[in-house]
Formats: sequence, C-alpha cells, structure tokens
Amino acid sequence: DGGITQSPKYLFRKEGQNVTLSCEQNLNHDAMYWYRQDPGQGLRLIYYSQIVNDFQKGDIAEGYSVSREKKESFPLTVTSAQKNPTAFYLCASSIMGGGNEQFFGPGTRLTVL
Amino acid sequence: KQEVTQIPAALSVPEGENLVLNCSFTDSAIYNLQWFRQDPGKGLTSLLLIQSSQREQTSGRLNASLDKSSGRSTLYIAASQPGDSATYLCAVIHRTASKLTFGTGTRLQVTL
Repeated sequence: DGGITQSPKYLFRKEGQNVTLSCEQNLNHDAMYWYRQDPGQGLRLIYYSQIVNDFQKGDIAEGYSVSREKKESFPLTVTSAQKNPTAFYLCASSIMGGGNEQFFGPGTRLTVL
Repeated sequence: KQEVTQIPAALSVPEGENLVLNCSFTDSAIYNLQWFRQDPGKGLTSLLLIQSSQREQTSGRLNASLDKSSGRSTLYIAASQPGDSATYLCAVIHRTASKLTFGTGTRLQVTL
C-alpha cells in the first residue's frame, strides 16, 4: 500500500524544546517537501529536497531544520528558534523534476503549550 | 512574486447543483496547476493536474480548465453531493521554481 506517512498525528511542545516530525514515503519519489498551514493562509513551503543528502530552503525556513539521509525519509525539526510553531505541518513528495504532481501525507498538528 | 487567489472563500449549495470554483494567479509563466481537496484536519488529496500546455482535465464529475493567458483556472463540479463538502485548494508551480504556490482555498458545503 503505497503512500506517505507522517507521525505523530498530534504533537505538543513546551516552549524552548526542539521537536522532530517524521515523514516517510514508499512511492519511490526523489523529491520531498515540507509545508506549513495556518488558518486563513495558504500552505507555505519550509524546506524541500530533490535528492538524498541535498535540500533547499523554502519561503519560511527560519527556525526549522531538515535532513535527507535516505530517499524514503525527510524529517523536520522545529527548533526553539521558531517563534510561532503552532500550526499544521504537511509533508509531500513527487517524482523528480519541476512541475510534477505532488502527493501529500495526512499531516501533523503541532501545538506549543 | 506569484500570488494565487481563490474566490469565493466559502460556498454553500444544495445537493445536485452544478458549481464552479475559481482560481486566479498573477504570473502566467507556470509549469502546471494542481487542484486539491482537504477535509477538516486532514492532508491534501490531489484531484487534478493540468500541464501548462493543456486546456482542461477531467476526472469523473470534476472538470478543471486552465487559461494561462488570463491567469485563471476553474474547477467545475457536476451534480454535487454532500460528500463533496471540503475545502478546495488550487496551487501553481512556476517554470523556474520547484515549489507550489497555494491559494487560500474555497470552503464548500453541500446541503441535503
């Protein structure tokens, strides 16, 4: 059963803590993406990776970090430097090349206590 | 900078009605346009992808059109059903970028 999985579904963080959101895909896609969704705003790109061991900043990368050690995995760390991390985080993937259809995971809702 | 606008922000229609959702974008140099559906608290489901060289795509009761020169796309839903209730998002990818730029969505409610 091919697809994109994200875990956990809900995550609570205390101020000052780093947390890591998991994203795994078994679609054999080369490219993976992290988006943030806030109420009343469109999705905004945080980071993306087109190949293993390489990634680029998106529009709102400050306070976030990523790694791409395996093709299947693209974890996102929300650091304490991110001032307003409460949001819905969505991971996506696509085959290599600009303009290809992106497929999304179910999302992780992060709440800062 | 590419901007994507979706009108209306919310729409309520009775079951069985045909409806049109609108999406406009400011930079016509796009590679493709993608329509998504999002249920509350869920991820995005891809509905249709239109390449820049195409004028429309169809999937079941859904038909999406693209007019690059005017910077517009429409999503037509035929014979709406309560199960169509969701937020519909359009997104464009620029020819020189690898990211999708999203609109803020149209929240659709189909009533019995």
